[in-house]
Amino acid sequence: KAGVTQTPRYLIKTRGQQVTLSCSPISGHRSVSWYQQTPGQGLQFLFEYFSETQRNKGNFPGRFSGRQFSNSRSEMNVSTLELGDSALYLCASSSGQGDTGELFFGEGSRLTVL
Amino acid sequence: AQKVTQAQTEISVVEKEDVTLDCVYETRDTTYYLFWYKQPPSGELVFLIRRNSFDEQNEISGRYSWNFQKSTSSFNFTITASQVVDSAVYFCALSWGSGSARQLTFGSGTQLTVLP
Repeated sequence: KAGVTQTPRYLIKTRGQQVTLSCSPISGHRSVSWYQQTPGQGLQFLFEYFSETQRNKGNFPGRFSGRQFSNSRSEMNVSTLELGDSALYLCASSSGQGDTGELFFGEGSRLTVL
Repeated sequence: AQKVTQAQTEISVVEKEDVTLDCVYETRDTTYYLFWYKQPPSGELVFLIRRNSFDEQNEISGRYSWNFQKSTSSFNFTITASQVVDSAVYFCALSWGSGSARQLTFGSGTQLTVLP
């Protein structure tokens, strides 16, 4: 079956702009998680959505937000971009119910903020 | 707090050598899961192995094996007869949380380079 799909794969923005990233989970998966990966901080958890509700949230400022639609697709938004937001943003999906936490990842969206 | 430590930043081996990647974790949860993921240059994190906190039996899966020891909070991963295609960044991760609301805490990763 199709894996996790993230769009766009690459994008360049300037400081102060906002960006929206999209993630389509594996068919049947109802949980979508987002992670930020940077050389300095490594992989950090942003938030997790399950059945259109945010179930978990990491330690990121309010500029980072997300949502999930009824078809389990998810978007994350970063407003007022800062240079430090340059990163690989990874989306992952899972069944979300009684599972072990194993996640299936997409290839990520690489954001560069100039 | 949950924490995963991968002390090895980079490892280089020659093809066909065995290589062990170290992972030490901290958690107060009694039920947790440990993972190893591989990240090739394409960026996607690929699941390799999983072990739950109740099962310390060590296993071998093809060229992969792991050594889980709760007494030392370690979850080491070994690749036998390494190949050039094994070159990637390897992440150890800890899944924690209650019920279904779990999240992963990752280590900082180990860059493995397998030389021909």
